[in-house]
Order: sequence, then C-alpha cells, then structure tokens
Amino acid sequence: DVKVTQSSRYLVKRTGEKVFLECVQDMDHENMFWYRQDPGLGLRLIYFSYDVKMKEKGDIPEGYSVSREKKERFSLILESASTNQTSMYLCASSGQGAAQETQYFGPGTRLLVL
Amino acid sequence: AQSVAQPEDQVNVAEGNPLTVKCTYSVSGNPYLFWYVQYPNRGLQFLLKYITGDNLVKGSYGFEAEFNKSQTSFHLKKPSALVSDSALYFCAPSGDRGSTLGRLYFGRGTQLTVWP
Repeated sequence: DVKVTQSSRYLVKRTGEKVFLECVQDMDHENMFWYRQDPGLGLRLIYFSYDVKMKEKGDIPEGYSVSREKKERFSLILESASTNQTSMYLCASSGQGAAQETQYFGPGTRLLVL
Repeated sequence: AQSVAQPEDQVNVAEGNPLTVKCTYSVSGNPYLFWYVQYPNRGLQFLLKYITGDNLVKGSYGFEAEFNKSQTSFHLKKPSALVSDSALYFCAPSGDRGSTLGRLYFGRGTQLTVWP
C-alpha cells in the first residue's frame, strides 16, 4: 500500500512564527503536492513538485514556500505564519504517469495560528 | 480558467435508496476524471477514475460514475446507499491528458448523509 505520512496531525503556532510541515511518501513517486482545505472551498493547490529540487506554483502560493531535497520528502514552509493560514493542510503524491496517475493523500495537518 | 462545479453542498438519502452526487467541469483539453472521498478527520481516499472506454466506471465500495462528454459531467452514483457512505465527496478533473505535471482541480465537495 502507498503510504503518505505527515509530521503532525495538529499544530498550534503564533503569528509571525516560521512553520515547517513535512510530508514523506514511501512509493518512490515523482510528483508531490501540497493543498490546503477550507470548509466550502474544497482543496486548493499551493505548490507541487515533479522532481527533486523542482517546484511549481499552484493556485495559492502566496505566503508559502516549499523544499524538496530528497525524492521522498516534500516540505511546506510558512515563512511568517498569519491567522489566515489557519487551515487543514494535505500532502499527496503520484507516479510519473502524470495526468492519469492517482494521487495518494496523507492524513492531513490541522494548523491553528493564534 | 479551470472550474469544477459540485452544485449540491449536501445530499441526504435514506439507507437502501440510490444516490447521485453531481459534478460538471470546465477544464482545457481532455482531462481524466477522478472521485475522492474524505471520512471525518481523515485524508482523501481514491474512489474511482475515468481514463477511456466505457462511460460507466466502477470503483471502490460499490460506487460507480458516469462520464458524459457532451455535458462535461462525471456524476457519482451508488444503487443502494449505506449509512457508512456518509462522508465528503470530491470531484477532481486532471489537467489535459498531454500534461506532464499531473495536477488535479478539485470541486468544493458534497457532504453526503445517509439516514438509517
């Protein structure tokens, strides 16, 4: 079974803090994705990566950055957390078949910024 | 701009009755089509996808989906609903088939509640 793990299920941070969300997949997948999920808005793509050290902006990249130094690990960074970044963050990975490949999701990190 | 419409925020059905969760999309090119389900406090789970061929696709847990190219729709169906089907359902077209980037466009989700 594909396994995607996220470093924390729940996280509480203060405004202005630098926040790291980590995601690890064990299926040697090329593609990895970070989404945020908010009620009534569905999932919105923040950033994705199709190879080590490569990244692409998604639909809402402002206020976020990412790092992919190893194939299995994709980190989402909030440089200076703000209250409007309180959300559920979901990581996903998929194989190299690109558009037809199924994305596999981690359990999510619920982030509260105070 | 790409868009995905799930016109019903909530769908309520009685156990044993058929259910339909609707999805229409406007995405450039010729996308693949996915449905995902999210149970409370969990990540998303893959249900089924349409790649090519028969317009009726069968997936996990007895779910199926019907692709209609002329209406750009991909409605999720189940002949007989179970209380355990209660969850949040997302429709997600891919980018164009020729794309190498493999991203999905998600709808806002439909909360399905099945009453005993």
